[in-house]
Amino acid sequence: SAVISQKPSRDICQRGTSLTIQCQVDSQVTMMFWYRQQPGQSLTLIATANQGSEATYESGFVIDKFPISRPNLTFSTLTVSNMSPEDSSIYLCSARQGMNTEAFFGQGTRLTVV
Amino acid sequence: SQQGEEDPQALSIQEGENATMNCSYKTSINNLQWYRQNSGRGLVHLILIRSNEREKHSGRLRVTLDTSKKSSSLLITASRAADTASYFCAGGYFGNEKLTFGTGTRLTIIP
Repeated sequence: SAVISQKPSRDICQRGTSLTIQCQVDSQVTMMFWYRQQPGQSLTLIATANQGSEATYESGFVIDKFPISRPNLTFSTLTVSNMSPEDSSIYLCSARQGMNTEAFFGQGTRLTVV
Repeated sequence: SQQGEEDPQALSIQEGENATMNCSYKTSINNLQWYRQNSGRGLVHLILIRSNEREKHSGRLRVTLDTSKKSSSLLITASRAADTASYFCAGGYFGNEKLTFGTGTRLTIIP
């Protein structure tokens, strides 16, 4: 199993600013992912964080808006850039060891943009 | 979109009763997983069933998988107040490391 520490747990930000969310895993993992979840909704995958290379983004998400870093096998960051109220959501970090394995999740970052 | 559909969207039952949630998906899967989420926090993995399996048990949980119908069900027996949460199915697809989550079922257990 893996334990994921995600911070901050919540933040209130001014529109036009940026927020960087950190995700630390207590062991080396093969795969790391970033999801967004609107209140009462399901999870939408933003991107797969690739170690040592550019993240792989899903349709509708772009690197300029959501730059992602993954410098090693235990750490990743997601930045929400030039925020607007529409970016208010819960952002979740996730990690897996392989395709036929369970996923572990951080506790999420609840972001409110005012 | 590969997103699965879950039904019901919401379910309220009395404590002690059984709760059944269903998940349908669109394309062939490698595995199907179920997760629980309390109050918008992180998701907790419950059970993983592979595409060549038909049924799996874990404590009070029973999951079935019907690949011909592209559907799965999660049964929670003898429900408890602590089972109140949102439940999501997630499909793992061949040659693809990401999980695609269903729409979720919000379960409320009435004491």
